[in-house]
Amino acid sequence: EVQLLESGGGLVQPGGSLRLSCAASGFTFSSYAMDWVRQAPGKGLEWVSTISGNGVSAYYADSVKGRFTVSRDNSKNTLYLQMDSLRGEDTAMYYCAKVAHIASAFWDDYWGQGTLVTVSS
Amino acid sequence: DIQMTQSPSSLSASVGDRVTITCRASQSVSRYLNWYQQKPGKAPAILIYAASSLQSGVPSRFSGSGSGTEFTLTISSLQPEDFAIYYCQQTYSTFRTFGQGTKVEIK
Repeated sequence: EVQLLESGGGLVQPGGSLRLSCAASGFTFSSYAMDWVRQAPGKGLEWVSTISGNGVSAYYADSVKGRFTVSRDNSKNTLYLQMDSLRGEDTAMYYCAKVAHIASAFWDDYWGQGTLVTVSS
Repeated sequence: DIQMTQSPSSLSASVGDRVTITCRASQSVSRYLNWYQQKPGKAPAILIYAASSLQSGVPSRFSGSGSGTEFTLTISSLQPEDFAIYYCQQTYSTFRTFGQGTKVEIK
């Protein structure tokens, strides 16, 4: 059974940093790209970042580029999101998701339960 | 970035109704278009991938169609458990984007 468990959320002051983790189990972690997706309170879904299975390639939304860094430790089956220079607009539930694919079609087939990040003084 | 626009933003429907949600892309995304369902307090769940492929375990009353810039999600006979928010997502670009969501409410 695929399981994704996020952790590391919490309250942080503007300008501060936080590192989110996503512990994966039930699949060959290194074989799959992973996504981070966030959702501000009462708002829609926003794609944040994607990292390839081997960790070599990473992509970011413009809203977080230069402030957030995605990484993974395939020996620990864990995905990370380092968030620096946090702003109020980064307040959201952060989800990690496993990326399924067939040829060039990609979709998020499993999601974690989310971890809440609140940026406020 | 590719912009995704869903219509309507919300709709009211009754159990048994046929419901159609549209998603339009600002440029062609071929068939790299997914649909998700999100219920209150829960993570999103995939319904349809690659425009028309039904995810394993998803009821057959859900279907998707379209290509290029215009896509539809259809629920053939709305069930009580289908009241939720639905999102489209393009993965044509490595910079993936979601639509703003369509809330399906009970009439």
